[in-house]
Amino acid sequence: GEDVEQSLFLSVREGDSSVINCTYTDSSSTYLYWYKQEPGAGLQLLTYIFSNMDMKQDQRLTVLLNKKDKHLSLRIADTQTGDSAIYFCADPTGGGNKLTFGTGTQLKVEL
Amino acid sequence: NAGVTQTPKFRVLKTGQSMTLLCAQDMNHEYMYWYRQDPGMGLRLIHYSVGEGTTAKGEVPDGYNVSRLKKQNFLLGLESAAPSQTSVYFCASSYDGILGYTFGSGTRLTVV
Repeated sequence: GEDVEQSLFLSVREGDSSVINCTYTDSSSTYLYWYKQEPGAGLQLLTYIFSNMDMKQDQRLTVLLNKKDKHLSLRIADTQTGDSAIYFCADPTGGGNKLTFGTGTQLKVEL
Repeated sequence: NAGVTQTPKFRVLKTGQSMTLLCAQDMNHEYMYWYRQDPGMGLRLIHYSVGEGTTAKGEVPDGYNVSRLKKQNFLLGLESAAPSQTSVYFCASSYDGILGYTFGSGTRLTVV
């Protein structure tokens, strides 16, 4: 089956950069995604990267994709307390019409 | 613009009781999904639908049934609730199954 793996926790200080990592197994994916879940809420699409790209930058967010190693990362520059949330990577599976989510990484930003 | 609405938001059931969770979307999306979220396990797909009148099993379908009689609604049923079904349930919809899943705010279900 398809697995998407992430570390469970990350703690950073405000103003530092955060790097959240993900490994996936389905190499046929056209897109890979990052979702954000704030406390008590559903998931929101944060950003995505097309599989023929190595990097995508969107303001404070940088997504890096290493297709050879099936490794995806999300870098948040100048991390703020409002970035505290759970971050999920997601990989389309089953012909691309459904997403498999990772376990989620809980990001805690300390003052 | 409501997006995806889930009802109820909270529910406590006794073992063996049944219930239906309702998901409604107003975006004319073809694809709809039910996930459950458990600590340390991320989101796991229960059932999904690629259009009105269709349903398909996901990763963890046992103990659940679904129906998609109308395009805008996707119902998740628990026929005989078990404590292992204590979880937070999320519904999501998508225009094409690829980009832009829209999630509801979740239903927190406790089975005692």
